[in-house]
Formats: sequence, C-alpha cells, structure tokens
Amino acid sequence: DAGVIQSPRHEVTEMGQEVTLRCKPISGHNSLFWYRQTMMRGLELLIYFNNNVPIDDSGMPEDRFSAKMPNASFSTLKIQPSEPRDSAVYFCASSFRLAGGGANTGELFFGEGSRLTVL
Amino acid sequence: AQSVTQLGSHVSVSEGALVLLRCNYSSSVPPYLFWYVQYPNQGLQLLLKYTTGATLVKGINGFEAEFKKSETSFHLTKPSAHMSDAAEYFCAGRGNTGFQKLVFGTGTRLLVSP
Repeated sequence: DAGVIQSPRHEVTEMGQEVTLRCKPISGHNSLFWYRQTMMRGLELLIYFNNNVPIDDSGMPEDRFSAKMPNASFSTLKIQPSEPRDSAVYFCASSFRLAGGGANTGELFFGEGSRLTVL
Repeated sequence: AQSVTQLGSHVSVSEGALVLLRCNYSSSVPPYLFWYVQYPNQGLQLLLKYTTGATLVKGINGFEAEFKKSETSFHLTKPSAHMSDAAEYFCAGRGNTGFQKLVFGTGTRLLVSP
C-alpha cells in the first residue's frame, strides 16, 4: 500500500522565491496535517484539514504561509515569499478520523518529509 | 488542554541494556497515547498506541509501554537495546473525542553504544 507521498524531498531556493510543497495522503484518509520540524522548535503543527476543510490553521506562522486541499487526494503548502528562517523539514501526515472520535484513534501516518533550505 | 512531556532530550544505553524513555501527559480525561520513532532523514513511524483496555501495550521492534493513570505516565521500554534502535522517539497524545489535535512531546534521542 502506498503511504503518504510528499514532493519534493529536497528543495533549495533563494530568499524571496515562492516554494510549493505537495502531499498525497493515503487513500481513504479524511484528515490531513502539515507539520514543520526544526532543531530549535521541534515538531510544530501548522494546519490540519478534515474532509478537505481547514479545521485549525492557528499554527501557520505568517501570512506568507498558505495551504490548500482542493480534493481528498492532494494538498499543497505554499510559502511566498520564502525566508531563510523557513528552512526546515516539512511533514505531511494523514489519518482517518470519525467525527465523534470514540473508538477511532486517528493515529497519524507520516510522509518522508520535504527538506527546505532557503538561502 | 492536552500536553505531553518527555523527560530527557538524550538517552544513552549500551547494546543489550534496558531502554526506558519517559513520557508524562496532562489531561482531564483519559487520552489516546502514542509513541512514534523517527530514523534519520525519515518521517515518523508509529511504534505503539494506547486507546482503552489493556494498559500494557506492545508495539513493533520489541518495544512496549504501560499506561499508568495514577502517575499520568506512558513510558516506553525495551528489555534489550539493539544498535538499530538508535533514533528519535516522540510521545504524543490526544483527547478521545472530536477533532482534537495530536500533541507531540519534544522528542528523546536514543543513542546505543556497542
């Protein structure tokens, strides 16, 4: 079974450029999460979607960051303009979560990440 | 609100020794708890999870964890460390209703020496 697929795996860009990271969640999952990982701040939840609708974007650091999920099988995280402090590994994760919670534990399945370096 | 605390950013053990990675949670209701492992340049992989029922949970690669409500703990153990266990380990928790976010601890890097 295919897991969560992220692209690109590595991106090196210059300050001011637009960066788009892509994610394909596991088929059948209805929740999608974008995380950022740095040495200084660890794992940070940026935004998550349920049934393609953004539920909580309180972790998005600035207006330079935006995320979309146009359909159940695709999401993007865009940074425009990028800055050196955005350098990090960005992870996408998906899960299947029932609205009422209950017995559904909603564990996350992570992609391998996109390592972004902004010069 | 749910929070998860991992004690010790680094833990060093010798190959064959007991592994103990500590995790405490704060929650007003019994949470769902997870341990994830991250190998270098990879994403996080689920090791084990606690939902309800048996408080001793067994996971992959010989790891297990015990949910102790009285201590609000969910420590991860493995009787005998292997070199391949060297990785970063994350404890995480969430409430058991609705769209509550999964909250991660800050991670513990396990170092295994020969």
